[in-house]
Amino acid sequence: DGGITQSPKYLFRKEGQNVTLSCEQNLNHDAMYWYRQDPGQGLRLIYYSQIVNDFQKGDIAEGYSVSREKKESFPLTVTSAQKNPTAFYLCASSPPGQSFGTEAFFGQGTRLTVV
Amino acid sequence: DQQVKQNSPSLSVQEGRISILNCDYTNSMFDYFLWYKKYPAEGPTFLISISSIKDKNEDGRFTVFLNKSAKHLSLHIVPSQPGDSAVYFCAASGNDYKLSFGAGTTVTVRA
Repeated sequence: DGGITQSPKYLFRKEGQNVTLSCEQNLNHDAMYWYRQDPGQGLRLIYYSQIVNDFQKGDIAEGYSVSREKKESFPLTVTSAQKNPTAFYLCASSPPGQSFGTEAFFGQGTRLTVV
Repeated sequence: DQQVKQNSPSLSVQEGRISILNCDYTNSMFDYFLWYKKYPAEGPTFLISISSIKDKNEDGRFTVFLNKSAKHLSLHIVPSQPGDSAVYFCAASGNDYKLSFGAGTTVTVRA
């Protein structure tokens, strides 16, 4: 079954720690994205990658880092520099041939809580 | 600065009636618009889209209307069903292809 898998579903982090959120897709999609959702706000773009070994900052990249070593994988690291990391994180991908960002397919999300 | 705005955070509608969700945008370079549906603790799923060359797109019970001059789009759901209860996000993209999302409207369909 094709899809996007995010893990873990829930993640707790102590202040000052880095954590990495996993995102894997077996849809053969070129483009992948990370969004963050906060209560009362829309999804905000953190990072995106249109091709392996290449990625760009989105609107709120500060305190986050990514890598794209494989087409299938786009992990997001939330660093200690991110001052307000508690949020719901969503990974998405777009099929080949589609305009970037359009009709993106989303994973189930990871809820990160700082304790 | 939010470029896509959904000014109604919630909407309650009786089963069988029409749900109308509204969305306004400020960036005149946006030329592709989408609606996503999201259940709690799940990722959004694509619902329907419209390009700027059209003013209406219909898919079953869902119709999206675009008024470019007013920078406004709306989603109509007819008839509304209990399974439609969810959060609906409006999104838009332009020549940089980044998707900008609104804050979402929570729809509750009453039996």
